[in-house]
Amino acid sequence: DGGITQSPKYLFRKEGQNVTLSCEQNLNHDAMYWYRQDPGQGLRLIYYSQIVNDFQKGDIAEGYSVSREKKESFPLTVTSAQKNPTAFYLCASSIFLARGSGNTIYFGEGSWLTVV
Amino acid sequence: QKEVEQNSGPLSVPEGAIASLNCTYSDRGSQSFFWYRQYSGKSPELIMFIYSNGDKEDGRFTAQLNKASQYVSLLIRDSQPSDSATYLCAVIAGGSYIPTFGRGTSLIVHP
Repeated sequence: DGGITQSPKYLFRKEGQNVTLSCEQNLNHDAMYWYRQDPGQGLRLIYYSQIVNDFQKGDIAEGYSVSREKKESFPLTVTSAQKNPTAFYLCASSIFLARGSGNTIYFGEGSWLTVV
Repeated sequence: QKEVEQNSGPLSVPEGAIASLNCTYSDRGSQSFFWYRQYSGKSPELIMFIYSNGDKEDGRFTAQLNKASQYVSLLIRDSQPSDSATYLCAVIAGGSYIPTFGRGTSLIVHP
């Protein structure tokens, strides 16, 4: 089945710890994204990537890092510099970065991160 | 700052009624508009997208776009309890390729 796979679904982070969320897609999409969603809030863009080995900061990139070494993979690291990381993290992809239907975004199932 | 506004609700409608969800946006040059459904604790699912003024229908769902008034609506006909969810509006503004999401409207369909 084609889709976007995120893992783990639930993750607990201790203070001062870095954690990495995995995102893999087999849709052959060029563009990939990471969003953060807090309870009762909309989606906020963390990072996005249009092509392998290139990525851009979104609205709330501080305390996060990404890599795009393969077209299929776009992992997100939540560093200890992110002071309030507890949230629902959504990975997404689109065919390519453009206006119109090519930029219809599809989401993975999400990862819940909690600080303990 | 490109803004997308939605009434947070909840919007409560009886089963079988038409649910009307609205979304306004600030950038007059916006080109692409999307509606997503998000069940509690789950990720958003695409319902439909619309680019041109007017209506676009897909099953029980109709998206209505009015660029002059800068709003996009989603109508759900014959609402079912399974339609109870949060509905997110997303807009790609002029000069951008990244959609901006509204905070969503919570819909409750009661039997």
